[in-house]
Amino acid sequence: SQELEQSPQSLIVQEGKNLTINCTSSKTLYGLYWYKQKYGEGLIFLMMLQKGGEEKSHEKITAKLDEKKQQSSLHITASQPSHAGIYLCGAGADSWGKFQFGAGTQVVVTP
Amino acid sequence: EAGVAQSPRYKIIEKRQSVAFWCNPISGHATLYWYQQILGQGPKLLIQFQNNGVVDDSQLPKDRFSAERLKGVDSTLKIQPAKLEDSAVYLCASSRKRSTYNEQFFGPGTRLTVL
Repeated sequence: SQELEQSPQSLIVQEGKNLTINCTSSKTLYGLYWYKQKYGEGLIFLMMLQKGGEEKSHEKITAKLDEKKQQSSLHITASQPSHAGIYLCGAGADSWGKFQFGAGTQVVVTP
Repeated sequence: EAGVAQSPRYKIIEKRQSVAFWCNPISGHATLYWYQQILGQGPKLLIQFQNNGVVDDSQLPKDRFSAERLKGVDSTLKIQPAKLEDSAVYLCASSRKRSTYNEQFFGPGTRLTVL
């Protein structure tokens, strides 16, 4: 089965600073998703990457996919308190919706 | 459009008791998923439905967990009897069709505590 490893497990960043989260798969990626979760709540979709070299941005969040390395990164520029939460990467183990998630990265933004 | 609805939001039971969770997906979504998320871990897929048929239940502990989606719309997940290790958030998600390239929309989850 596919394993998705996220790093770091957690990070504390000062407001206004940048941060990067990585997600690495041990097998072929069928779509790579980034979700955000606040404690006790469901998952909020951020973006989906499908093709190698693809890069997407939404507000201050940018995600990239390196298909050869089976790796994705999520970068937040000039972090704000609203960026605090748990970031999860997820990917298909096949093209039919069988989905797996990484363990998540907890982001804390300090004043 | 209305999102994925789940109930109850919280449930506390004692071990060996039974519990059921309900999920109503987004209207028109053919695929429905149940995930289990243990504290500090990512969600783990338990079962995937396409309309009212099961397409993947390989990670569902079938000796105690069961799920159904009788009319291809809403779904229930049951645990009978519950164990301490079942304490988790149970998330329901739906997507328009059965494809990894279709976004999954998640409900708020049901937090289960087994004492």
